[in-house]
Amino acid sequence: DQQVKQNSPSLSVQEGRISILNCDYTNSMFDYFLWYKKYPAEGPTFLISISSIKDKNEDGRFTVFLNKSAKHLSLHIVPSQPGDSAVYFCAATMNYGGATNKLIFGTGTLLAVQP
Amino acid sequence: DTAVSQTPKYLVTQMGNDKSIKCEQNLGHDTMYWYKQDSKKFLKIMFSYNNKELIINETVPNRFSPKSPDKAHLNLHINSLELGDSAVYFCASSQPGGGRDEQFFGPGTRLTVL
Repeated sequence: DQQVKQNSPSLSVQEGRISILNCDYTNSMFDYFLWYKKYPAEGPTFLISISSIKDKNEDGRFTVFLNKSAKHLSLHIVPSQPGDSAVYFCAATMNYGGATNKLIFGTGTLLAVQP
Repeated sequence: DTAVSQTPKYLVTQMGNDKSIKCEQNLGHDTMYWYKQDSKKFLKIMFSYNNKELIINETVPNRFSPKSPDKAHLNLHINSLELGDSAVYFCASSQPGGGRDEQFFGPGTRLTVL
């Protein structure tokens, strides 16, 4: 049962345009969401996050939008650059209590930014 | 100046063998994790340790045994390797802060079982 879904395995955009990556989740208990970026042969690196008490979080060229009623979030990259080409993972978590946390990941979207 | 490091990066072995993957973090974090990314690219948590204590065990076969000698290290030992164990294994660490911690990942270890 996949609780976090990224239905687009790949996305291709032109340099300078907007990239929109989508993510859906099913567990209404999730209250914190993260986006990770992954280059080949490297580990995922944290990009941006959002708490469920917000509907938008912005960091430079990256903005994450959260629609709780639709259980949907999206990552916008503006303007897209060739160096943004990577696999983007959406992840979700909740307050499990204790001093640890587990991330539930989507299957990723491969973004290709064409020069 | 690597934050989370794993060794080896690649591991090729025969079915039935026992192997270990080592992980070290120099971030001073209290919590470490092991994730498995299978052939379908699905990244799933296996274990979590906080200050050397096992916190999360996600119904992983008991052939997998994590060991944390100190809070900077979390090693993964796998007994009697099976074909289905072939995957990329990622170590990660975080410093919990109200459960809203970002996790820092190592580069991964690609395990191939023949």
